Amino acid sequence: AQTVTQSQPEMSVQEAETVTLSCTYDTSESDYYLFWYKQPPSRQMILVIRQEAYKQQNATENRFSVNFQKAAKSFSLKISDSQLGDAAMYFCAYRSANFGNEKLTFGTGTRLTIIP
Amino acid sequence: NAGVTQTPKFQVLKTGQSMTLQCAQDMNHEYMSWYRQDPGMGLRLIHYSVGAGITDQGEVPNGYNVSRSTTEDFPLRLLSAAPSQTSVYFCASSRDGNTIYFGEGSWLTVV
Repeated sequence: AQTVTQSQPEMSVQEAETVTLSCTYDTSESDYYLFWYKQPPSRQMILVIRQEAYKQQNATENRFSVNFQKAAKSFSLKISDSQLGDAAMYFCAYRSANFGNEKLTFGTGTRLTIIP
Repeated sequence: NAGVTQTPKFQVLKTGQSMTLQCAQDMNHEYMSWYRQDPGMGLRLIHYSVGAGITDQGEVPNGYNVSRSTTEDFPLRLLSAAPSQTSVYFCASSRDGNTIYFGEGSWLTVV
């Protein structure tokens, strides 16, 4: 079974600065997907970024980028130019690429606080 | 385009009561699933479906039933509610498993 570990329960960053959230995972599969989801106080789950394991290039979405280290099974999220609206819980998640297996395995989350 | 719609948003149940959390999506997605979120934990998969008529158990299925009679709907049934089922429940759907859309969540309290 796959596991996802987020070792930072809480993080804080000054507004406009850069912060990196850590995520490690364990799997015996070679093809899979990794995700970062944002959960603001409204509790809505919002997809931030997605990475396919077969792609060596790190995914980026505007101010959000990942550092995907497949051999190390590491998948960190970097948020540049942090904004007050970035304050939320962030969840790392894993999904197998096997057909029909769209189950997500989530980490326990990191609460990000933005300091004005 | 409503996306994934969950009802009710809030519910209080007494121990032993039954209820159904409704989930509907209008995106013609094959994949649908139910998760629960508890304090200090990530979302955990309860049940999922890869198409109408097909369901399977996730990580924490005990105490919950599902059915998938149509592509659009995936209700979650609690047959005899227990305090341990107090949680926030999320329904999700996906066309291909890559981009997953979540509902807004349903807050359930069992007293």
